[in-house]
Amino acid sequence: KNEVEQSPQNLTAQEGEFITINCSYSVGISALHWLQQHPGGGIVSLFMLSSGKKKHGRLIATINIQEKHSSLHITASHPRDSAVYICAVIRETSGSRLTFGEGTQLTVNP
Amino acid sequence: NAGVTQTPKFQVLKTGQSMTLQCAQDMNHNSMYWYRQDPGMGLRLIYYSASEGTTDKGEVPNGYNVSRLNKREFSLRLESAAPSQTSVYFCASRGGLFGQPQHFGDGTRLSIL
Repeated sequence: KNEVEQSPQNLTAQEGEFITINCSYSVGISALHWLQQHPGGGIVSLFMLSSGKKKHGRLIATINIQEKHSSLHITASHPRDSAVYICAVIRETSGSRLTFGEGTQLTVNP
Repeated sequence: NAGVTQTPKFQVLKTGQSMTLQCAQDMNHNSMYWYRQDPGMGLRLIYYSASEGTTDKGEVPNGYNVSRLNKREFSLRLESAAPSQTSVYFCASRGGLFGQPQHFGDGTRLSIL
């Protein structure tokens, strides 16, 4: 079993829908990252969380340390949100190294 | 504002050939990383360098070598390429403070025939 599991693997939505992507992990962590991989392949960091909730524009990320679970929400989704969303954790014992989930492919149709 | 620059972007090799993937960052970051990304699997760490002059193995180091040439540059070498090394390779860098994100290059798509 992977240490970082994401669900769903694939998600198709209509423009304007509220989207949730989930990430569960099985190890102790010091922080969790959400990243976005564009169709062209580039990867950008969206959030780093160690507790609570963060918001940036239409994106909201939450984490529950006790339940070892994080969610990424997208409000009022748009076709330009179509990308792969990747959850990654920094294990307590790994310094700055990231352990990645497999990613969630999101497609938002107009 | 280049960030992390990888070269080349695409490469096709024959089995047994050698090749070096180049990575340079202009953000004065201490830490640099090499990952590979394969279908159905998350990004996996090949090697990393916590600071200039140091390198350490990641999850999948076999078949690769690295050089941290200076603070800016971190290269990945395939001495004798194998078809199993067909992948997309990403270089990343990170500043020293906790909480700083990793910055990724655009990737190198490598095919080994």
